[in-house]
Amino acid sequence: EAGVAQSPRYKIIEKRQSVAFWCNPISGHATLYWYQQILGQGPKLLIQFQNNGVVDDSQLPKDRFSAERLKGVDSTLKIQPAKLEDSAVYLCASSLSGQNSFEKLFFGSGTQLSVL
Amino acid sequence: GQSLEQPSEVTAVEGAIVQINCTYQTSGFYGLSWYQQHDGGAPTFLSYNALDGLEETGRFSSFLSRSDSYGYLLLQELQMKDSASYFCAVRGAAGNKLTFGGGTRVLVKP
Repeated sequence: EAGVAQSPRYKIIEKRQSVAFWCNPISGHATLYWYQQILGQGPKLLIQFQNNGVVDDSQLPKDRFSAERLKGVDSTLKIQPAKLEDSAVYLCASSLSGQNSFEKLFFGSGTQLSVL
Repeated sequence: GQSLEQPSEVTAVEGAIVQINCTYQTSGFYGLSWYQQHDGGAPTFLSYNALDGLEETGRFSSFLSRSDSYGYLLLQELQMKDSASYFCAVRGAAGNKLTFGGGTRVLVKP
């Protein structure tokens, strides 16, 4: 079974530039998540999709971050413009839906973003 | 909202037993999960407790006490490959969001 695919693996940009990350979840997983993980901290949920609808985006800085999952499969997360504090690993995860499934997330390898 | 507390770091020798505690506060509660993350790697699911008691999976066990809002992950017969960060996580009532703790870094020494 193929895992969660993410690209790029690394990205270095200057502040005020824009950047986009791509994620393809495990086939059949209706729920897709984007997490931000700052070095030394736990993952923080940015946005959660159920199929192509947003379930939770309460911690997404909407003035600069946007995400979409147009066909209910792959997803893109964008930052525009980037700030120094956005330097982090951006993790995409997917899961099946339903009781006991939302606890078992499958994570991709992440995109390590450095904002200079 | 949801908050989780776990120790930041634990050091132990090969073959030893380590217990990582996690206390949580959440509005609504479905269960407590544990994840392992090696440096530079992705978090991977270890276990999930929805009910009180101990769940055993090989060398790892996880415990939950809902009345105490407390759980722990027990790592037995420690091996060098167990050096990693371990995160507890809870799912609250709203939106099925999984919230992670700050993580416990476990260092296994020879």
